[in-house]
Amino acid sequence: GENVEQHPSTLSVQEGDSAVIKCTYSDSASNYFPWYKQELGKRPQLIIDIRSNVGEKKDQRIAVTLNKTAKHFSLHITETQPEDSAVYFCAAPQNFVFGPGTRLSVLP
Amino acid sequence: EPEVTQTPSHQVTQMGQEVILRCVPISNHLYFYWYRQILGQKVEFLVSFYNNEISEKSEIFDDQFSVERPDGSNFTLKIRSTKLEDSAMYFCASSVLGLTRGGDPYNEQFFGPGTRLTVL
Repeated sequence: GENVEQHPSTLSVQEGDSAVIKCTYSDSASNYFPWYKQELGKRPQLIIDIRSNVGEKKDQRIAVTLNKTAKHFSLHITETQPEDSAVYFCAAPQNFVFGPGTRLSVLP
Repeated sequence: EPEVTQTPSHQVTQMGQEVILRCVPISNHLYFYWYRQILGQKVEFLVSFYNNEISEKSEIFDDQFSVERPDGSNFTLKIRSTKLEDSAMYFCASSVLGLTRGGDPYNEQFFGPGTRLTVL
């Protein structure tokens, strides 16, 4: 079945720095790639997604890049703020599989 | 903005008891899902539901689990005889179009706030 991995598992950055989280997947048929943000005790919320017909998508401070050949996609957060602190999950939703999560801590 | 809702927010039960978790999906959505998340772990898929029947289920969704859409608005998850290891946060989700294996069009899933199930 589908295998989804994320790196790193934890990430600490200084406020204002950039953060990058990488997700790898195994099913080459996957063509939709979302990132979710989950704050402590709350629901996962979609923050950005990308479809396989594009290589990059940006929404203000957040961007996602996709390398379909290498089967990985990455979340980029620029000018990080303390409220960006959360667990971030990637997913291969067509196989109903979430990644293990990356805990991002933005230090003031 | 419409949201998926879930009740109760927290359910405490004794091992062996039956529990029913309730969800109200977004009204124009056609596909419904249950996921669970054990504390500190990743989100795990349980089941998807469309047109009054299960369309996909995972290995976790064994005979102890069942889902139902008893009326036009509610979507329920029943666990017949709870075990200690069923303790987790259970999330309901819905989408307009379906998530299906193998490349069909995808539409965004909206998650409910979750029900925390504690089995003692």
